[in-house]
Amino acid sequence: AQKVTQVQTEISVVEKEDVTLDCVYETRDTTYYLFWYKQPPSGELVFLIRRNSFDEQNEISGRYSWNFQKSTSSFNFTITASQVVDSAVYFCALSDKLYTGTASKLTFGTGTRLQVTL
Amino acid sequence: GAVVSQHPSWVICKSGTSVKIECRSLDFQATTMFWYRQFPKQSLMLMATSNEGSKATYEQGVEKDKFLINHASLTLSTLTVTSAHPEDSSFYICSAIYQLEAFFGQGTRLTVV
Repeated sequence: AQKVTQVQTEISVVEKEDVTLDCVYETRDTTYYLFWYKQPPSGELVFLIRRNSFDEQNEISGRYSWNFQKSTSSFNFTITASQVVDSAVYFCALSDKLYTGTASKLTFGTGTRLQVTL
Repeated sequence: GAVVSQHPSWVICKSGTSVKIECRSLDFQATTMFWYRQFPKQSLMLMATSNEGSKATYEQGVEKDKFLINHASLTLSTLTVTSAHPEDSSFYICSAIYQLEAFFGQGTRLTVV
């Protein structure tokens, strides 16, 4: 069975601080996909990144960066120089295959609520 | 990216009534859509997979007769909460697949009083 654990339920930081959101996953599959989604107060889920199990390169996109470590089954997300607009709930998710017709479901972590204050 | 529209955004209904929630893919066709449920400050739990032209696939523990799913066209899936009770109050969110990515609707907050 697949499982995603986000131990940090809530994090509060002051604007411009860096913050790292942790994600640990469990799966028996050798091929799998990891995701991060942002859920602002309005409720919709915003896709941030997808990473497959064969690509352990870290990725940076603006102020966002992701650290994928297969050895520790972790896929952590760092926001550099946080801003108030980053305040949201962030979900890490896992899937055993991409959506190719026989669609696969996403297993979500419990989410980390990030509060960025001035 | 693709747009998934969910309607209504919020609804309040009386206990015992039924509520229909619509999920539309606005600029693409979706043979498969997913319905999730999210309790306050909790994660999203998949309820069912909606397949166009066939029966939905429900996750274990989800009552098929209570949560009716109809995927009548390639752009529309509906979730009907029948005989709603206060414990059905939750945030329901759908997603559709486009070019190997899942796009989510804005969600529907259901409150049963």
